[in-house]
Amino acid sequence: GESVGLHLPTLSVQEGDNSIINCAYSNSASDYFIWYKQESGKGPQFIIDIRSNMDKRQGQRVTVLLNKTVKHLSLQIAATQPGDSAVYFCAENRNRDDKIIFGKGTRLHILP
Amino acid sequence: EPEVTQTPSHQVTQMGQEVILRCVPISNHLYFYWYRQILGQKVEFLVSFYNNEISEKSEIFDDQFSVERPDGSNFTLKIRSTKLEDSAMYFCASRDLTANTEAFFGQGTRLTVV
Repeated sequence: GESVGLHLPTLSVQEGDNSIINCAYSNSASDYFIWYKQESGKGPQFIIDIRSNMDKRQGQRVTVLLNKTVKHLSLQIAATQPGDSAVYFCAENRNRDDKIIFGKGTRLHILP
Repeated sequence: EPEVTQTPSHQVTQMGQEVILRCVPISNHLYFYWYRQILGQKVEFLVSFYNNEISEKSEIFDDQFSVERPDGSNFTLKIRSTKLEDSAMYFCASRDLTANTEAFFGQGTRLTVV
């Protein structure tokens, strides 16, 4: 069946360092892969997405990498800041008309 | 910046009571969703709604759940007879498919069934 899962439940990173959050997926039919950030008491907030025909996409301080061969997705956050502390979810979308399927979150702690 | 608005932010209800969770999607969006998140767990899909009808629903969305778009702005989730295990955060989301944009989520309603 479909599943999107994360390798690690928590990640602690020193402020200013880069962080990498990983995710594995199993549904080869997915066309979009998405990263969401969820701060305490708030709803998921879109960070960046990548289409299945790409292997890398960059945003502001964030980069998403997609490796279709091993069905792996990662989110790189450069120069982490205290405001990056949150739970990060990877998600998949078979196509834009379809529901978004969330994986388990990774809690990112930024250490001072 | 336009946003999805949900009310109330917190709802406490007795087991067996009906609750209605309200959402105002972004005004030009046509595709709507409800998700729920039990504390500390992942965000689970409940239902999607397009063109005044349910597009897809999950196994969680049983006969106790219903959705409605009673007017041009509100999108509601009704739980007919709440159970303790319905306690969760409920998120509404909307999407403008014509612009091929991502889904925007509201801040959620925390439902506590006692």
